[in-house]
Parts: sequence; C-alpha cells; structure tokens
Amino acid sequence: DGGITQSPKYLFRKEGQNVTLSCEQNLNHDAMYWYRQDPGQGLRLIYYSQIVNDFQKGDIAEGYSVSREKKESFPLTVTSAQKNPTAFYLCASSISETGWVDEQFFGPGTRLTVL
Amino acid sequence: EDKVVQSPLSLVVHEGDTVTLNCSYEVTNFRSLLWYKQEKKAPTFLFMLTSSGIEKKSGRLSSILDKKELFSILNITATQTGDSAVYLCAVEAVTGGGNKLTFGTGTQLKVEL
Repeated sequence: DGGITQSPKYLFRKEGQNVTLSCEQNLNHDAMYWYRQDPGQGLRLIYYSQIVNDFQKGDIAEGYSVSREKKESFPLTVTSAQKNPTAFYLCASSISETGWVDEQFFGPGTRLTVL
Repeated sequence: EDKVVQSPLSLVVHEGDTVTLNCSYEVTNFRSLLWYKQEKKAPTFLFMLTSSGIEKKSGRLSSILDKKELFSILNITATQTGDSAVYLCAVEAVTGGGNKLTFGTGTQLKVEL
C-alpha cells in the first residue's frame, strides 16, 4: 500500500533532550513537509523540501532541524533549543514536478510530549 | 506575512442542516486554495481551487473561490454526523524555494442528531 508513515505515534521526552521524528513515503513524491499543530490551531509549517539534499525553512523553523538524504525520507529533529516542543507533528508529501504544491498527502502524525 | 482566516471558529448544527464555512486570505503570489477535513489525526484532502468562480463539487460538499475578494466558501448540504470534523483552509503561495501552504486555524463542525 502506498502512503506516508510516521513513527513513533506517541513520544515522550525529557526537557533538554533532542528527539528525531521519522517520516517515510513510498508515493515517489518529490516534495515533503513538516507541520506542527497545537490545540485549537491550524497547521504551521516547520520545514519543507522540494528535492533530495535541499530544504527550506518554514514559518517556525527555530529549534528544529531536518535532512533529506533520500527521496523517501524526511526526518525531523526537535532540539533542546525548541522552547515549547509539546505538540502534534504532521508530515506530508506532494508530487511537485513543477514546484507547485498540488494535493498534499498527510501521515498519521506523532504526538510529542515533553515532561 | 501570508494570512488565512477562517470563520466561524466552531458551530453546532442538526443533521440535515446546510452549513457554509468561510475562508479569507492575504497571500503574496497566490497560486491555489485547498480545503481539508481533519477528524482525529491526518487531514484528508477535499478540494483544490485555482480559478475564480468555478465551483468544485463532490457529493454533498462544494466549494468556490473568489480571487477578486480573496475568499472561498465550503458548503455542506444535508449534513450527517459523519461530517463532524475540523475543516482546514490552506493557501498556496509561490516562493523562490518552492511553493508552500499557509493554513487557517480551522472551523470545528459538530453535527448532532
């Protein structure tokens, strides 16, 4: 089955620790995105990548880092510099042959809680 | 800064009612507007609109875009309890580093029997 997988589903971390959230897609999509969603809020863009080995900061990139070494994978690291990391994190991908967004497909999300 | 505003923030209706959800936007280099439905986890795609005045329809849902007045509406007719969800509006902007979406905060719809 084609789709986007995110792991883990729930993640607990102590303050001061870095943590990496996984996102993998087998849709052969070029573009991948990371969003953060807080209760009662819409999605806010953290980072996005149109092609392998290239990525751009979104609206709230501070305290986060990403890599795009493979087309299928776009892991997000939440660093200790992120002041309020507890949130629901969603990964998405789209075809993006032209650089346009088109329809974005979303993974099931990872709920991160910092204790 | 790109901005997307949705209204109302939430509403409660009875099954069979018709609802209209609103989305207004201010975006530099607009390319498209998208509607998503989010129930528990991942948002699911409903519509993408790029042209003004052309209605997109899927079953009981329909949407239209007005690029002059910078807004879109999502209509749901004969609502059912399964329509209960958060409806998200997003606007695509053309940027040098690749296009990106800006989301509104969503409208929480609850359909009661």
